[in-house]
Amino acid sequence: SQQGEEDPQALSIQEGENATMNCSYKTSINNLQWYRQNSGRGLVHLILIRSNEREKHSGRLRVTLDTSKKSSSLLITASRAADTASYFCATPTSGTALIFGKGTTLSVSS
Amino acid sequence: DAGVTQSPTHLIKTRGQQVTLRCSPKSGHDTVSWYQQALGQGPQFIFQYYEEEERQRGNFPDRFSGHQFPNYSSELNVNALLLGDSALYLCASSVGLAGVWPYNEQFFGPGTRLTVL
Repeated sequence: SQQGEEDPQALSIQEGENATMNCSYKTSINNLQWYRQNSGRGLVHLILIRSNEREKHSGRLRVTLDTSKKSSSLLITASRAADTASYFCATPTSGTALIFGKGTTLSVSS
Repeated sequence: DAGVTQSPTHLIKTRGQQVTLRCSPKSGHDTVSWYQQALGQGPQFIFQYYEEEERQRGNFPDRFSGHQFPNYSSELNVNALLLGDSALYLCASSVGLAGVWPYNEQFFGPGTRLTVL
């Protein structure tokens, strides 16, 4: 079953523009993580935000979390062609297994 | 330091056959999780191995089984393959079972693309 649902499913922007993608989840969480996947290959961990945090930054990435709305957003500023990938939000189970959303496919054109 | 490695990269099987996929975890990691990712979908958790035992399992039938070896590497076996088993199979490694960051950060391998004809 999917816990998170990303929105939009697909996003096309020009280099230099900002990209925002959203994630909604269903149950209470301890933390929420964002991953990137290039061309259907392995996933790369981008950033983790804990349930008691509202915003977190990492380089050109900014993640927000609203636990009252059970939603999170990932903002990529000044996008580059190399940011073209699929982005997934994921929440942990009681152990270390992750439940992923369906992902947002980002296409950045130069 | 080698990351998570998986073999083979690609595999083509026919319905009813059996397949074994392999994963070597990142150095220092002792926990291996397997995920199935259908085309256009997010990864779905299959099961997790720690200390050579299955510790957690997702909503997958018994046709999916696994094993973990003393060196922490792992195998995923799928019996009686169905067309719907065609997917990218991802292996992820981490440390221990406790959901304590950063030890529970999962590092993913490149995946094995399984095609069932």
